[in-house]
Amino acid sequence: AQKVTQAQTEISVVEKEDVTLDCVYETRDTTYYLFWYKQPPSGELVFLIRRNSFDEQNEISGRYSWNFQKSTSSFNFTITASQVVDSAVYFCALSERDSNYQLIWGAGTKLIIKP
Amino acid sequence: GAGVSQTPSNKVTEKGKYVELRCDPISGHTALYWYRQSLGQGPEFLIYFQGTGAADDSGLPNDRFFAVRPEGSVSTLKIQRTERGDSAVYLCASSPEFTGELFFGEGSRLTVL
Repeated sequence: AQKVTQAQTEISVVEKEDVTLDCVYETRDTTYYLFWYKQPPSGELVFLIRRNSFDEQNEISGRYSWNFQKSTSSFNFTITASQVVDSAVYFCALSERDSNYQLIWGAGTKLIIKP
Repeated sequence: GAGVSQTPSNKVTEKGKYVELRCDPISGHTALYWYRQSLGQGPEFLIYFQGTGAADDSGLPNDRFFAVRPEGSVSTLKIQRTERGDSAVYLCASSPEFTGELFFGEGSRLTVL
């Protein structure tokens, strides 16, 4: 069965601190995709990244970076030098091959960045 | 704008009533998804359209829920005999074919009294 676990319900840090959001997934498929989405207070989910199971290279995009470790079934997300505008709920999601990108979502981590 | 548009943004109805929620996807996106999100939870898959046909409706909770996309663009999610447990934010997303990058609307918040 597929499952995504985001154990951190809420994280609060002071601006400019680095913060890592954890994501652990379960799947029996060997081909799958992992995603991170951001949901700001306005409510609209915003796509951040997609990773396929054959690509374990870490990804960096500006202040955002992602660490994919198949050995531990984890796909963690780090924000470097956090800013108040990063405050949002962040969701990790999984889709398996042939699932038409039907996403299985974690419960989300609420990130609060204090000025 | 050019994003996914959902109407109404808020809908309050009484138990037992019929509700329609509309989604206008990004032009040219062939894939359209409906999700439901309850407070403090991640979205829950309802149905997926590829073109006009419902390619996967396995997430619809029961036969009170139905969705259509007759011309392969706008989609309507229909809920009959609403129940209080149907209260949630209903999210629509569209995607270029087989990219996995979903573009979400702002959702329709449904409250059933």
